[in-house]
Amino acid sequence: TQLLEQSPQFLSIQEGENLTVYCNSSSVFSSLQWYRQEPGEGPVLLVTVVTGGEVKKLKRLTFQFGDARKDSSLHITAAQPGDTGLYLCAGDVNNAGNMLTFGGGTRLMVKP
Amino acid sequence: DAGITQSPRHKVTETGTPVTLRCHQTENHRYMYWYRQDPGHGLRLIHYSYGVKDTDKGEVSDGYSVSRSKTEDFLLTLESATSSQTSVYFCAISDQDAGYEQYFGPGTRLTVT
Repeated sequence: TQLLEQSPQFLSIQEGENLTVYCNSSSVFSSLQWYRQEPGEGPVLLVTVVTGGEVKKLKRLTFQFGDARKDSSLHITAAQPGDTGLYLCAGDVNNAGNMLTFGGGTRLMVKP
Repeated sequence: DAGITQSPRHKVTETGTPVTLRCHQTENHRYMYWYRQDPGHGLRLIHYSYGVKDTDKGEVSDGYSVSRSKTEDFLLTLESATSSQTSVYFCAISDQDAGYEQYFGPGTRLTVT
């Protein structure tokens, strides 16, 4: 059982639709990061959230950290084919910043 | 992009042979990590290093060893490769001065036959 559970595991939508990806845990994290990974490449950091209830926006992507710092969500508005990829959440496991535990990922496909 | 390279990028080897993967960074980051990525499991930490000659085990360290003799290089060794070690291996770096954000290399696809 993973410390961080992501849902859904797979998501296939049409261009222009909205979607939300969830990252849940029973553990409290001092911070949580979201990464996007494209085929054949390493993950790339999108955002770090550190405060309970925090909301961060990155163009059409909105990230929220739960009030209790146990969960997070990623909402994409008007998805585009360029959003296709694997989305990974990662929590700071030892509250020291230098160790992360990753969720299993959500594989998103946006069809034109 | 952070200066991280991994070599080789692809390798096919036979069961029982030793394999060494190399991660090289030009960012002078203190921390280096080796992960493996398998479908449905996200990224799982194998070993990490918090300085030259300072390493520790991660979640899935059995069958793997590491060494870090220089700040810029972190080696992952499979002493006797098994088919269960077929995976994509990623190296990552981080540093307190960079907010502990992890930057990943391009990965090495290893197939053990």
